[in-house]
Amino acid sequence: DIVMTQTPLSLSVTPGQPASISCKSSQSLLLHSDGRTYLNWYVQRSGQPPQLLIYEGFNRFSGVPDNFSVSGSGTDFTLKISRVEAEDVGIYYCMQTLQIPYTFGQGTKVEIK
Amino acid sequence: QVQLVESGGGVVQPGRSLRVSCAASGFTFSSYGMHWVRQAPGKGLEWVAVIWFDGSNRYYTDSVKGRFTISRDNSENTLYLQLNSLRAEDTAVYYCARGQNKYGSYYFDYWGQGTLVTVSS
Repeated sequence: DIVMTQTPLSLSVTPGQPASISCKSSQSLLLHSDGRTYLNWYVQRSGQPPQLLIYEGFNRFSGVPDNFSVSGSGTDFTLKISRVEAEDVGIYYCMQTLQIPYTFGQGTKVEIK
Repeated sequence: QVQLVESGGGVVQPGRSLRVSCAASGFTFSSYGMHWVRQAPGKGLEWVAVIWFDGSNRYYTDSVKGRFTISRDNSENTLYLQLNSLRAEDTAVYYCARGQNKYGSYYFDYWGQGTLVTVSS
């Protein structure tokens, strides 16, 4: 199974400041045959189901603001929030869909200071 | 708009069975692979199973193989998960989610609100 490791597991951020979450996979998530990166990011707000934020490595899902971005490649990725706002509070998960069983990172809890 | 509504959760004794459902609307259900993902109380997300658009292929995480069965009824726009031989560690909110194509590949773009299954004597 592909192991997904997120750091940190929790983050407390002052509003307006940036935040970064690292996600590392135990094998490369870039499939050369189709050029896709099989890494996605979700946010789960309190009492809600997960919502898709970023798909195929770097693409913002419909309605996701442009202060969310992803950098990295292969096995190392970083989700960046350029300016954290109150509505960004939640648990962020990375997930690989390269290989079954699909696997998630442990989740990173983002809070506002 | 895309809607996924789970139902059928509840409290069940260890070793017993339960079937949860996911009613889909707002899209052509028969064109998409569908998934079940679960979340134990206070824990992270765990992918459980996927079924292709036509039901021809199904895949499971190891911990549920031989106990859980994913199925679908495209005429009723409904996804199912049959949970047999339930264990305490199966206690979780079960979410259905839509895959991005007919094999359920790439990413899960829409999720239901979830249904809670509690396994307890």
